[in-house]
Amino acid sequence: QAVVTQPSSLSASPGASASLTCILRSGFNVDTYRIYWYQQKPGSPPQYLLRYKSDSDKQQGSGVPSRFSGSKDASANAGILLISGLQSEDEADYYCMIWHRSAWVFGGGTKLTVL
Amino acid sequence: EVQLVESGGGLVQPGGSLRLSCAASGYTFTSYWIQWVRQAPGKGLAWVSQINIDGTGTAYADSVKGRFTLSRDNTKNTVYLQMNSLRGEDTAVYYCARSVAGEGIDYWGQGTLVSVSS
Repeated sequence: QAVVTQPSSLSASPGASASLTCILRSGFNVDTYRIYWYQQKPGSPPQYLLRYKSDSDKQQGSGVPSRFSGSKDASANAGILLISGLQSEDEADYYCMIWHRSAWVFGGGTKLTVL
Repeated sequence: EVQLVESGGGLVQPGGSLRLSCAASGYTFTSYWIQWVRQAPGKGLAWVSQINIDGTGTAYADSVKGRFTLSRDNTKNTVYLQMNSLRGEDTAVYYCARSVAGEGIDYWGQGTLVSVSS
């Protein structure tokens, strides 16, 4: 079973908000991890969006709009990427990443469709 | 402007070798670690390896350990990924990326395609 799991797809309407989740396997406490988020559009390399561990330990990527934000849901043991005011250009694959047992581990990615 | 430019990809037979290069510019090379991440066709991202700022420390994914070797030449602002005993499952776009010590990736190169096939 993978350490981090992401829903394979999500659809949302323009102007709405989308909440993308990165779920940690049971036994690994999301509170102890910094979660990194990346956006990848077809034919392009990933781009760094932000890092979130807590409200006092977070970082926005250079030039990344504030409508991209991070949080956690402790009850779901998950990191969350919230995208507000969805735009057509937000349609992309989104990956989370954590440092786990001396290796970087990516989630499988969520394909976000804006329609 | 930060630039990470990968080169050296191509078609290689199973069991063969290939050396990828990553040339960095536009920032202080010796302040950043270098990561390699690969993406098989139509699949997600998978971390491959990392090297620290002076090249004395490396780490590898279990899937490539013992077959891949990462090194850097700080006089040339270049990192090298030597890939031996290549397998079909190594077929992927290989991205070079940078990170600060203890942090995740903040910038990615454009990638180079490695195809392992007979």
